[in-house]
Amino acid sequence: DGGITQSPKYLFRKEGQNVTLSCEQNLNHDAMYWYRQDPGQGLRLIYYSQIVNDFQKGDIAEGYSVSREKKESFPLTVTSAQKNPTAFYLCASSGRTATGQPQHFGDGTRLSIL
Amino acid sequence: AQTVTQSQPEMSVQEAETVTLSCTYDTSESDYYLFWYKQPPSRQMILVIRQEAYKQQNATENRFSVNFQKAAKSFSLKISDSQLGDAAMYFCAYRSGFPQGGSEKLVFGKGTKLTVNP
Repeated sequence: DGGITQSPKYLFRKEGQNVTLSCEQNLNHDAMYWYRQDPGQGLRLIYYSQIVNDFQKGDIAEGYSVSREKKESFPLTVTSAQKNPTAFYLCASSGRTATGQPQHFGDGTRLSIL
Repeated sequence: AQTVTQSQPEMSVQEAETVTLSCTYDTSESDYYLFWYKQPPSRQMILVIRQEAYKQQNATENRFSVNFQKAAKSFSLKISDSQLGDAAMYFCAYRSGFPQGGSEKLVFGKGTKLTVNP
């Protein structure tokens, strides 16, 4: 079945450490997205990518980095510059050619500070 | 920039009854899409319903329907015959019909927590 796989489900970060969250999709979608969700907040966009080797900053990109070397993969690195990384991270994808297509989401990764 | 407001942080409903969740949005665009997503305790985001702004007819998906009032910029979700499995966070989201650079970015409200009482 087609879908979006995020791993790991839970991740712990030590102070000063970079960690990478994985997102893989087999939906043949062009666009991929990373969102951050905090308690009492909606989802906020971190980065998005419309095509391979191209990505744009979202609303809260500081302290994060991404790459898009393959259509299927869009990993997110939470760097040590992100001082408050504890949150739930959701990856999503959507087809680019057909307008109005909804975004499909993975099951998320919960990141906590040790 | 577009904004989405959900004015009800929490709502509750008795099983088998009907509940309406409110959503308003602010935009200067005429072409856009609106979505309701459900997030159960498992945290997975599940699409509930979608509405195209150029369509006057309200979208319906089984027990879920919307009341789309374009002039008022209102997009409420009605859940009929509520079931225990409907308990979740519900998020309203907006997407431009002319996305900048071709992206289909979503703007989310802060959500409404729905409790279903047996």
